[in-house]
Amino acid sequence: SQQGEEDPQALSIQEGENATMNCSYKTSINNLQWYRQNSGRGLVHLILIRSNEREKHSGRLRVTLDTSKKSSSLLITASRAADTASYFCATVNSGYSTLTFGKGTMLLVSP
Amino acid sequence: DGGITQSPKYLFRKEGQNVTLSCEQNLNHDAMYWYRQDPGQGLRLIYYSQIVNDFQKGDIAEGYSVSREKKESFPLTVTSAQKNPTAFYLCASSIGGGGEQFFGPGTRLTVL
Repeated sequence: SQQGEEDPQALSIQEGENATMNCSYKTSINNLQWYRQNSGRGLVHLILIRSNEREKHSGRLRVTLDTSKKSSSLLITASRAADTASYFCATVNSGYSTLTFGKGTMLLVSP
Repeated sequence: DGGITQSPKYLFRKEGQNVTLSCEQNLNHDAMYWYRQDPGQGLRLIYYSQIVNDFQKGDIAEGYSVSREKKESFPLTVTSAQKNPTAFYLCASSIGGGGEQFFGPGTRLTVL
């Protein structure tokens, strides 16, 4: 069963612009993680935010978590063509140890 | 280099045949996972193992089997009972459950 739902399904921007992707989920979580997948490749972990955290930064990435709204957002600032990929949120539900993935947002950054 | 490897990269199977996908890690991780990804979809968990000689079914285990005889290895067998096996299969590992997962490059299985 899908826990996270990303929005939008696809996003097309120009280099230098910011990209924002959102993730909504349904049940209580232990943590929420964001991953990137280049076409036909494995996933790469970007950032993990715990349920008691509200915001985390890593380089050009900023993740927020609102547990009252059961939602998270991933902001990529000053996008580059190399950021073109699919981005997935994944939740670890309270009491469990496995990840549940959403369907992803496909980001296209044009030069 | 530490990492997680999957082989083969591409695999073709005739209907009715069993096929085994390999997954090896040298990260000294206790937990390993198998996921299936269909076009335009997220990942769905097939099986996972948190310790050697133990594994649990995920959301879509029917038609699949696994073994975990060594910490480093977690092979997945796609049996003839799996009705729609054509997909991209991803293996992952983590230090423990619930944390960051490290993924292999994937195996693309096509049933002819």
